[in-house]
Amino acid sequence: AQRVTQPEKLLSVFKGAPVELKCNYSYSGSPELFWYVQYSRQRLQLLLRHISRESIKGFTADLNKGETSFHLKKPFAQEEDSAMYYCALRKGAQKLVFGQGTRLTINP
Amino acid sequence: DTEVTQTPKHLVMGMTNKKSLKCEQHMGHRAMYWYKQKAKKPPELMFVYSYEKLSINESVPSRFSPECPNSSLLNLHLHALQPEDSALYLCASSQGIRDRFRSYEQYFGPGTRLTVT
Repeated sequence: AQRVTQPEKLLSVFKGAPVELKCNYSYSGSPELFWYVQYSRQRLQLLLRHISRESIKGFTADLNKGETSFHLKKPFAQEEDSAMYYCALRKGAQKLVFGQGTRLTINP
Repeated sequence: DTEVTQTPKHLVMGMTNKKSLKCEQHMGHRAMYWYKQKAKKPPELMFVYSYEKLSINESVPSRFSPECPNSSLLNLHLHALQPEDSALYLCASSQGIRDRFRSYEQYFGPGTRLTVT
């Protein structure tokens, strides 16, 4: 079954420290993975997708097919990074399957 | 206009009421989605419309009835809901659905917070 696992419900780091939000997936085909972010009182929005191989707001994520992972990383956390982060897998042409989410808190 | 809008923001309804949620986008997107998000849970897909035709129904109970009157509008008609249907209902749209050549980003609305009493 196609599944996305985010093992940490909560993650708290200090400003300036590195951040890594974990995401593991199970998918029988060629996966397409995304990170979505929801800041306080804002709508859910796409942060980045693996096929773009881009860095957004200092965040990067590399698809590791061997480890079936798509961890989100940032070398130096900023207070404005505090938010809810969802890893998502595209299933078929139209369906997104979301992980349970990780609430990231950046402490000053 | 580069946003998905949803009305109302909040809705309280009784179990015998009939109400509708509305979603609108003017980005020329041809795919639209309804998601349900319970508290502290991720969004779960309910329905997908592609080119105004229902293409996915994730085994949603018939008390939820989607409608896509045109390419910019998506409604969710609610009837005889249960208290456990209380949730945040999210609408999303994308330029198209994924094909061999392109993957399309889904843009989410702010949601309608529904309370069933």
